[in-house]
Amino acid sequence: GDSVTQMEGPVTLSEEAFLTINCTYTATGYPSLFWYVQYPGEGLQLLLKATKADDKGSNKGFEATYRKETTSFHLEKGSVQVSDSAVYFCALSDSGGGADGLTFGKGTHLIIQP
Amino acid sequence: GAGVSQSPSNKVTEKGKDVELRCDPISGHTALYWYRQSLGQGLEFLIYFQGNSAPDKSGLPSDRFSAERTGGSVSTLTIQRTQQEDSAVYLCASSLSHPIRRSLHFGNGTRLTVT
Repeated sequence: GDSVTQMEGPVTLSEEAFLTINCTYTATGYPSLFWYVQYPGEGLQLLLKATKADDKGSNKGFEATYRKETTSFHLEKGSVQVSDSAVYFCALSDSGGGADGLTFGKGTHLIIQP
Repeated sequence: GAGVSQSPSNKVTEKGKDVELRCDPISGHTALYWYRQSLGQGLEFLIYFQGNSAPDKSGLPSDRFSAERTGGSVSTLTIQRTQQEDSAVYLCASSLSHPIRRSLHFGNGTRLTVT
C-alpha cells in the first residue's frame, strides 16, 4: 500500500538557518504530493503541493520538488523564522483511487529559536 | 464561517462514557473525512463520506466507533464506552470531491481526554 516516510523530529534550528525536511513515498499509481503545516492548537493547513513529476510547489518561502526518480518530495526553506515553528506533514493522494484520501507521514516538529 | 468547524474543541470524559464529536464542513463540500491524531503517530484515517454514497468505514479501529452524516452536511463521530487509548485529537476535513490534486480543508480538531 501507499506510505509516506519523513524525518523524525524535533528539528531545532536557529532563526535564518536553512531548512530541509526529508520526505519519501511509495505509491502504486501516480500520486499528487502535499506538504501540510499544523501550528500549535490549530488544524492542518495546506502549505504547498505538486501534482506531477518535476513540478515544484512553493508558498511562504517554502519549496518542494516532486522527484519521481528518487520518490521524494523534500521541503526546503532558505531562511527560517520563529513563526515557522510548527509540525509539518508530508502526504500523498494516489490517482489509483481509494477512499482514504490522503496518506500522511508522521509529522516533523520544527522548532526555530531566536 | 468559511472554514470547517468542529465542536467541542476540548472534551474530558470518564472511561466507559460515550462521547459525540461534531463536524460542520465547508458549504458545498461533498467529501468529509475523520482522522485521529495521536502523539507521535501522525494522522490515522477513520472514515470517509462522499455525497450520498455509503461511507468507507475501513479505518474505524473498533465497533465502539461510528459516524454519520446527516443531509450530506454535518457529521457526528460517536465513541461508545470510551477507553484511555481513545485519547487523541480528532480532526475533521472536507473537500469539494475526491482530494486527488485538491487539498483537504481541516478543522481545528477536538482534543479528547479519557480519564
